[in-house]
Amino acid sequence: AQRVTQPEKLLSVFKGAPVELKCNYSYSGSPELFWYVQYSRQRLQLLLRHISRESIKGFTADLNKGETSFHLKKPFAQEEDSAMYYCALSFNQAGTALIFGKGTTLSVSS
Amino acid sequence: DTGVSQDPRHKITKRGQNVTFRCDPISEHNRLYWYRQTLGQGPEFLTYFQNEAQLEKSRLLSDRFSAERPKGSFSTLEIQRTEQGDSAMYLCASSLQGYTGELFFGEGSRLTVL
Repeated sequence: AQRVTQPEKLLSVFKGAPVELKCNYSYSGSPELFWYVQYSRQRLQLLLRHISRESIKGFTADLNKGETSFHLKKPFAQEEDSAMYYCALSFNQAGTALIFGKGTTLSVSS
Repeated sequence: DTGVSQDPRHKITKRGQNVTFRCDPISEHNRLYWYRQTLGQGPEFLTYFQNEAQLEKSRLLSDRFSAERPKGSFSTLEIQRTEQGDSAMYLCASSLQGYTGELFFGEGSRLTVL
């Protein structure tokens, strides 16, 4: 069965420290992977998608099919990065909805 | 357009009562999704529509749950004979066809079943 695993419930770092939020997936085909973010009192929103290979707000994520991972990274954390981050998998390009992981809370303190 | 809107934002009901949630998607979006989120969990897919057609339903969607999108615009999610285990945040999202994985979420409707 398709599954997304985010092993950390909470990640606490200091401002300026590197951040890596882990995401592993289980899927036998070619997945599409995404990171969604929810800031305090805001809606869940797309942060980035692997097919775009883009950097958003300094975050990047590389799909590693060998390790079935899609970790989210940022070299220097900022306090405004504090939020809940969800990794999500789409396994049907015809439009089947996303499967989300349980999420990781990132807390950045000064 | 202010994005996806959901109503009511909060609903408290007694076990056994029926509840209905409404979702108004972004106007040009033809796909609409319902998710459920409980504490400490990520959003769990319930069902989705393309226009008025309900194309997929999760096995999480028991017979007590029904969703409609009669004119391909707004959608309703009804829960009959609510149980305490139905207490959750019900999220609606919409997207354009031509799938990109970008879902636009509403703020959710929080259900508490006493």
